Amino acid sequence: AQSVTQPDIHITVSEGASLELRCNYSYGATPYLFWYVQSPGQGLQLLLKYFSGDTLVQGIKGFEAEFKRSQSSFNLRKPSVHWSDAAEYFCAVASRQGNLIFGKGTKLSVKP
Amino acid sequence: DVKVTQSSRYLVKRTGEKVFLECVQDMDHENMFWYRQDPGLGLRLIYFSYDVKMKEKGDIPEGYSVSREKKERFSLILESASTNQTSMYLCASSKPPGQGAREQYFGPGTRLTVT
Repeated sequence: AQSVTQPDIHITVSEGASLELRCNYSYGATPYLFWYVQSPGQGLQLLLKYFSGDTLVQGIKGFEAEFKRSQSSFNLRKPSVHWSDAAEYFCAVASRQGNLIFGKGTKLSVKP
Repeated sequence: DVKVTQSSRYLVKRTGEKVFLECVQDMDHENMFWYRQDPGLGLRLIYFSYDVKMKEKGDIPEGYSVSREKKERFSLILESASTNQTSMYLCASSKPPGQGAREQYFGPGTRLTVT
């Protein structure tokens, strides 16, 4: 069955520190992978996506993610976190039917 | 700019009421989706639609129905609202799988409280 696991429910980092949010997926073929961000009380905004090609993808707001097929992972990274990055982050994989399967999310808090 | 709008940001209804949540997209997308979001459970798919008048059940369709009479509009209906349907409801749209990009565009959400 297709699934997405985000092992970390809540992460706290200091402003200016680097960030890595983990995502593991289960999918039988080449996956279409996504990271979304949700600010409190808002809808989801697409940060970046991977379909094929270069395994390191760049997104908006200075985020990047690396697809590693051997580890079934698609981890999100940012070299220097800003206070405005505090939000909830969701990893997702596209199902064969066309809908997205989401992980349960990782809430990011940023310490000043 | 891509736009998905939802009719209400906040809604308070009584148990047993029939509730309509409306979603409109302006991107001419074939696919539309309804999710509910609850703390610790992430997003769960309620229903989706590939085309006008077509609908498919998602993971948690019980207690819900949908309507898609026009391509741009997808409505979620709670036939008889119950307190366990208090949640954040998110609508999304996307191109169909055959057109490459599968990312979904989300509306701002409707926070529904059933008392």
